[in-house]
Amino acid sequence: DGGITQSPKYLFRKEGQNVTLSCEQNLNHDAMYWYRQDPGQGLRLIYYSQIVNDFQKGDIAEGYSVSREKKESFPLTVTSAQKNPTAFYLCASKTSGGSYEQYFGPGTRLTVT
Amino acid sequence: AQSVTQLDSQVPVFEEAPVELRCNYSSSVSVYLFWYVQYPNQGLQLLLKYLSGSTLVKGINGFEAEFNKSQTSFHLRKPSVHISDTAEYFCAVSGPYPNQGGKLIFGQGTELSVKP
Repeated sequence: DGGITQSPKYLFRKEGQNVTLSCEQNLNHDAMYWYRQDPGQGLRLIYYSQIVNDFQKGDIAEGYSVSREKKESFPLTVTSAQKNPTAFYLCASKTSGGSYEQYFGPGTRLTVT
Repeated sequence: AQSVTQLDSQVPVFEEAPVELRCNYSSSVSVYLFWYVQYPNQGLQLLLKYLSGSTLVKGINGFEAEFNKSQTSFHLRKPSVHISDTAEYFCAVSGPYPNQGGKLIFGQGTELSVKP
C-alpha cells in the first residue's frame, strides 16, 4: 500500500537533546512538508522540499533542521535551540503538477521534559 | 498574503442533526480550498477540495462544501451527522503559484462533537 510513514508514534526526550523524526513516503511524490500542530493553533509549516537536495524554510523554522537526500525521505531534526519543542509533528507530501492536495502521515507526538 | 479563519472553535451537535462548519479566507488572488478531518492522535485526511468549476463540492462521508467567491467563504455541511463524525476539521487554502511550493495555509480547526 502506498502512503506516508512516520516513526516513532511517541517520542520522549530530555531538554537539551537533539532528536530526529522520521518521514518516509512511497507515493513517488516530489514535494514533502513538515508541520507542527499545537492545540487551538492549527498546523504551522516548519520546512518544505520540492525536490531532492533542496528545501525552504516555512513560517516557524527556527530551532529545526531538515535534509532531503532521497526522494522518499525527509527527516526533521528538532534541535536544543527550539524553545518549546513539545508538540504533534505531521509530515505530508504532494505530487508536482496540478493536484494541490497534500497527503499526511500519522504524526509523531514529541514530549520534551 | 493568504489567511484562513474558522469561525467556530467548537461545534456540539446531536446525532442525525445537520451541521455547518464555517470557513472564511482572505486572498487577493484565486485560490484552491480544502477541508481535512483529523481523528484523535492521527494524521489529516482529505474530505474534499475546490480547484475550479462547480461551486458545490461533494466529498467523502456525506460532506459537501460551497465555494462563495463574493463572500470569500467555503463552509462545510452535512445534512445528518453520526457519532463517528466526531473529530477536528481543518479548512486550508493554497495559492495557484508554483513558486509558493504548494504550501497550505490552515485555519485553527473546529472540533465537532456529536452527542447521542
